Amino acid sequence: EVQLVESGGGLVQPGRSLRLSCAASGFTFDDYAMHWVRQAPGKGLEWVSGISWNSGSIGYADSVKGRFTISRDNAKNSLYLQMNSLRAEDTALYYCAKDTHLDGGHAFDIWGQGTMVTVSS
Amino acid sequence: QPVLTQPPSSSASPGESARLTCTLPSDINVGSYNIYWYQQKPGSPPRYLLYYYSDSDKGQGSGVPSRFSGSKDASANTGILLISGLQSEDEADYYCMIWPSNAVVFGGGTKLTVL
Repeated sequence: EVQLVESGGGLVQPGRSLRLSCAASGFTFDDYAMHWVRQAPGKGLEWVSGISWNSGSIGYADSVKGRFTISRDNAKNSLYLQMNSLRAEDTALYYCAKDTHLDGGHAFDIWGQGTMVTVSS
Repeated sequence: QPVLTQPPSSSASPGESARLTCTLPSDINVGSYNIYWYQQKPGSPPRYLLYYYSDSDKGQGSGVPSRFSGSKDASANTGILLISGLQSEDEADYYCMIWPSNAVVFGGGTKLTVL
């Protein structure tokens, strides 16, 4: 079964850091680009970051550029998001999503269930 | 980042068709992009439905019924998701998405109510 399972969310104070993980199974992880997409409570979808199959191409939304870092470990079939200098507006459900191509730029055909990040003092 | 405009809500009756729109800003030509569509039901992650570039370049997500289809209205610079033969299970939020550069943009979403 193709599956993405996110972890690492929680309650964190403004200015602190958090690292999210996404464990992939059921497909050849290093054949595809991967992404993080977030959804604030009651709001729409916002793309956060994406990474190509070999980490050679990485992109970030302007809202997180300079604060968040995406990475992947193909040997461990895992995707990560290091989030620093967290703000209240980063509060959201964070989804891991699989691209349909190795370099990205296409559909997100598989999504995890998400991990909730709450930034509050 | 460009803004994709979707009507906040839409409604239709079972058996009818629903036409959901996604309007691109005037400086981005809808004819140059794949338009991706996702469905999201409460408490669930988004589900990939389809992409549409042209009648000869389009694709359906795995297991997505053929009553979901895409098109474009170039005169309105708009991408369209058409759902025919509406069923109660189609009640959900629908999001469009494009890749205008090395970054993704989602529309604000349309809540479809099946009356």
